[in-house]
Amino acid sequence: GAGVSQSPRYKVAKRGQDVALRCDPISGHVSLFWYQQALGQGPEFLTYFQNEAQLDKSGLPSDRFFAERPEGSVSTLKIQRTQQEDSAVYLCASSLIGAGTYNEQFFGPGTRLTVL
Amino acid sequence: RKEVEQDPGPFNVPEGATVAFNCTYSNSASQSFFWYRQDCRKEPKLLMSVYSSGNEDGRFTAQLNRASQYISLLIRDSKLSDSATYLCVVGGLYNFNKFYFGSGTKLNVKP
Repeated sequence: GAGVSQSPRYKVAKRGQDVALRCDPISGHVSLFWYQQALGQGPEFLTYFQNEAQLDKSGLPSDRFFAERPEGSVSTLKIQRTQQEDSAVYLCASSLIGAGTYNEQFFGPGTRLTVL
Repeated sequence: RKEVEQDPGPFNVPEGATVAFNCTYSNSASQSFFWYRQDCRKEPKLLMSVYSSGNEDGRFTAQLNRASQYISLLIRDSKLSDSATYLCVVGGLYNFNKFYFGSGTKLNVKP
């Protein structure tokens, strides 16, 4: 069956450019997460959606980062005025149910962002 | 202090060896615990959940010690295909399934 998909898989941006990263979660999954993974590190939480509601955005590193999931399925992570320190792999994950349960999170392949 | 701490390794072991990884977590209110596996340039995938009573899945055994805030993973009879980075994951505080990942422990199984 279809897993979590992300696009683009690779993105090279010039410093100061805006980028948009897309995530298609597994159909029917209520919860959607965005993570940032720097080289040699584990994924770091950015933000969480339950359906279309963004319930936690405490991990977004600055106000240049913005995420949305307007119809409760596809999500977009936007980074404005990219900086070199934004270079990382951005992972999207989805899980079947939301709060109060401990479901497995299924990860997409990630978008590798390089800011020159 | 990081929420989840792991020895980065690498652990270099021969095929057939038994190897153990540990991790510690800082938040005593954590409710759920997992080991994820991540191959080079791939996404993390669930290896196993970790329960208070300990659990086993084939060659893999996971243990949780809540008093010491410590999680372990034991791999018996290592295979070449076990070579990967193993991520310790802690989460599930009361509101939702927010995961905290360790930096990962790299395992290299040699022929």
